[in-house]
Amino acid sequence: QKEVEQDPGPLSVPEGAIVSLNCTYSNSAFQYFMWYRQYSRKGPELLMYTYSSGNKEDGRFTAQVDKSSKYISLFIRDSQPSDSATYLCAMSVVSGGYNKLIFGAGTRLAVHP
Amino acid sequence: EPEVTQTPSHQVTQMGQEVILRCVPISNHLYFYWYRQILGQKVEFLVSFYNNEISEKSEIFDDQFSVERPDGSNFTLKIRSTKLEDSAMYFCAKASAQGGSEQFFGPGTRLTVL
Repeated sequence: QKEVEQDPGPLSVPEGAIVSLNCTYSNSAFQYFMWYRQYSRKGPELLMYTYSSGNKEDGRFTAQVDKSSKYISLFIRDSQPSDSATYLCAMSVVSGGYNKLIFGAGTRLAVHP
Repeated sequence: EPEVTQTPSHQVTQMGQEVILRCVPISNHLYFYWYRQILGQKVEFLVSFYNNEISEKSEIFDDQFSVERPDGSNFTLKIRSTKLEDSAMYFCAKASAQGGSEQFFGPGTRLTVL
């Protein structure tokens, strides 16, 4: 079983739609959960960062973590063509003040006008 | 949060050659990471670097790889004898200045081994 599973898509939605992106994981020790956006051949850009379970909202983005189900989600409201990118979930366990991120495979999102 | 910069943006090399990838400039950061992403695959952890020492490395990070901070600011990844399968995007990342778990990535260096 992979540590982090993420549907690679592609996911195609019309402009203005609500997008739901998800990851599941197997390691119950994960404490920190992140969503990155990555454009082609660019570095991952941090979108959302959450610790443990709960919700976090930032503008059009909402991140949810359900540790009991080992399931995390990213919602994008009022999606725009500029949101078209690959979305990576990442998670980690902090040990000794530093940590490595374990990434999902990424979901490719296309928002069409 | 200031960006991490990396040079070069693209490096082409012959198999067996040594390459050095750089994160510049870095200041007031304690935690650094290197990741790689083979085309079409997931981002993979290579090594973490704290207080001028390797704190953790993956099984990918074998004896052909090394990291150092030669002048207190630049953070380098060296591959001694490149192989075809080393072709990938290499990303440098830093943890936030407060030592938290958010990691901020540079734009990457695309390494092509011929």
